[in-house]
Amino acid sequence: EPEVTQTPSHQVTQMGQEVILRCVPISNHLYFYWYRQILGQKVEFLVSFYNNEISEKSEIFDDQFSVERPDGSNFTLKIRSTKLEDSAMYFCASSWTGKLDEQYFGPGTRLTVT
Amino acid sequence: SQKIEQNSEALNIQEGKTATLTCNYTNYSPAYLQWYRQDPGRGPVFLLLIRENEKEKRKERLKVTFDTTLKQSLFHITASQPADSATYLCALVQGGKLIFGQGTELSVKP
Repeated sequence: EPEVTQTPSHQVTQMGQEVILRCVPISNHLYFYWYRQILGQKVEFLVSFYNNEISEKSEIFDDQFSVERPDGSNFTLKIRSTKLEDSAMYFCASSWTGKLDEQYFGPGTRLTVT
Repeated sequence: SQKIEQNSEALNIQEGKTATLTCNYTNYSPAYLQWYRQDPGRGPVFLLLIRENEKEKRKERLKVTFDTTLKQSLFHITASQPADSATYLCALVQGGKLIFGQGTELSVKP
């Protein structure tokens, strides 16, 4: 069964450093998402992406964040200057349609900012 | 303000019994609602989707109801098994994004 993959599984970085989290969505899906989950808290929407542009973003997704689909398979989330409060599990998800479909989530990248 | 609330306490039940999980929401008017399962350290896994014009949806041992008047969804697992132990998340669909509740942790004891 096709699945969403994410790398790395765990990333440790120092405050102020840039990180890039990578995702390979399911190949025929058209909509891509990033969510995050701070330890012990709910899963929160960050951004959705369709047709090579951002469809929607949350208040969390400020100028420090950016997303890119550099080729036909990868989908990346970049955090330019990490803060301690960016420590969380980051999940990539994809879906075939934007509304009616379930979203398929990857296993997540645990980001630890020290 | 907008809120999604699930059973705040963990739910402990005996194997074979029916587990019932609650999701209440305020100040939303979702056209769709989804339920996901999340195991520790893993991403959410889709279980069921229900539309606002559907009262009930079933899939194997799972059943979901959606009452837009009460602004509530109930999620039932019948004949529960220890393998059903996980956190269950309800998610409202707004535009294309999912807005999750905090989840209910279910523990099924043999």
